[in-house]
Parts: sequence; C-alpha cells; structure tokens
Amino acid sequence: DTGVSQNPRHKITKRGQNVTFRCDPISEHNRLYWYRQTLGQGPEFLTYFQNEAQLEKSRLLSDRFSAERPKGSFSTLEIQRTEQGDSAMYLCASSLEGEQYFGPGTRLTVT
Amino acid sequence: GQQLNQSPQSMFIQEGEDVSMNCTSSSIFNTWLWYKQDPGEGPVLLIALYKAGELTSNGRLTAQFGITRKDSFLNISASIPSDVGIYFCAGQLKTSGSRLTFGEGTQLTVNP
Repeated sequence: DTGVSQNPRHKITKRGQNVTFRCDPISEHNRLYWYRQTLGQGPEFLTYFQNEAQLEKSRLLSDRFSAERPKGSFSTLEIQRTEQGDSAMYLCASSLEGEQYFGPGTRLTVT
Repeated sequence: GQQLNQSPQSMFIQEGEDVSMNCTSSSIFNTWLWYKQDPGEGPVLLIALYKAGELTSNGRLTAQFGITRKDSFLNISASIPSDVGIYFCAGQLKTSGSRLTFGEGTQLTVNP
C-alpha cells in the first residue's frame, strides 16, 4: 500500500502531557500538509511543507504546536502541554501537484 | 478569512435516487475538490476540478466548477447504500502548493 500513513491511529493522553504524531506521505510527493478536524466540522489547515521547508503556518498553530519534516520525507507534529481543547482528529495529506491525498488520521483525546 | 458554505447539511434518500449538493464561497478559488469521509477515517478524494465551467465525471459522480469560480456542485446518480458518508467540498487558491479550505460537509444517508 503506497498511501499516506499516520501513527498512532489513536492517542489518549492526560492534560499537560506532550504528544507526537508521525505522518509518512506518498513516496514521490514533495508537499505535506497537516490539518485538524473537530467533530461535525471540515478539516482546518495547520501547516504545510514543501520538501523540508515549512512554508505556511495557520494562526491555529499556537506556540505549543510544532511540526518538522527533517529530511523532506516523513513529518512529525508535536503538541506540548496538551489541553482538552486539543482533542480532535489530526490529518496529514500529501501532494505532488494540486490533488491532496489524506491519511487515516490520528484521533487525540485529552482527558 | 475565506469560508465555504456547503448545503444541505444532511440528506436522507432512498436507494436509487439522485443526490445533489453544492458549495459556495465568498471569494474565488482556482481549484475545487470533492472528498468523501467515512467515520474514523481520512477524507478520500472523489473529483478535482481545475477550470471554471469544467464538468467532470467519475462513475456515478459528476461535479462542476462554477463559472464565477465561487461555487461548485456534486451530483450522485442512482445512489447505493455504500454512498453513505460525509461529503466535503474544498477550495484551493493555487493549483499546487497551498492549503485547502473545506466546507462543513453534507451527511448523506441512503435507505435501502
């Protein structure tokens, strides 16, 4: 299977803990995106990489959030000092040109 | 910021019926995409539209990119139970390398 993969699929953490999610894009795709989706809403853009360069960040990405794509392949999204409002589905997508293909997401629950 | 208004919010139809849903924006997009999402999964790309006025089909699905570049619609013909899910429209300013702005989704239920 050469689709976008995300790990873990589910994460339950206590408020105040740090969490890290991983995204492996489709292998030839140079662009990688992170989105957040809350219940009943469409995905909201968080940040975007072209190769290893982080080109755009949303205002949703507070200073507790950081994303990296060190070698232009996989990416990690870290949330520090998690809050209950961080509970959501975190989606990763990749693209070569315009069409973005999504992974299955990581469901985060902060208790 | 840009907002996409997607309607209807939900639809309940009988198997075999045709379905239509649409998306409007307060500003112009250069690409429109339609996705389907099942519970607990990521969105799956159905159709991508790149030119104003473009009409594109994918099996029983047909989508159009509005002439004003501020709207798009998706039609599903002869619905089947596996069409159940949430359908999202998404707009993109640049053809490549930019964020998607999503609508709020249309929840489709198909009764057999």
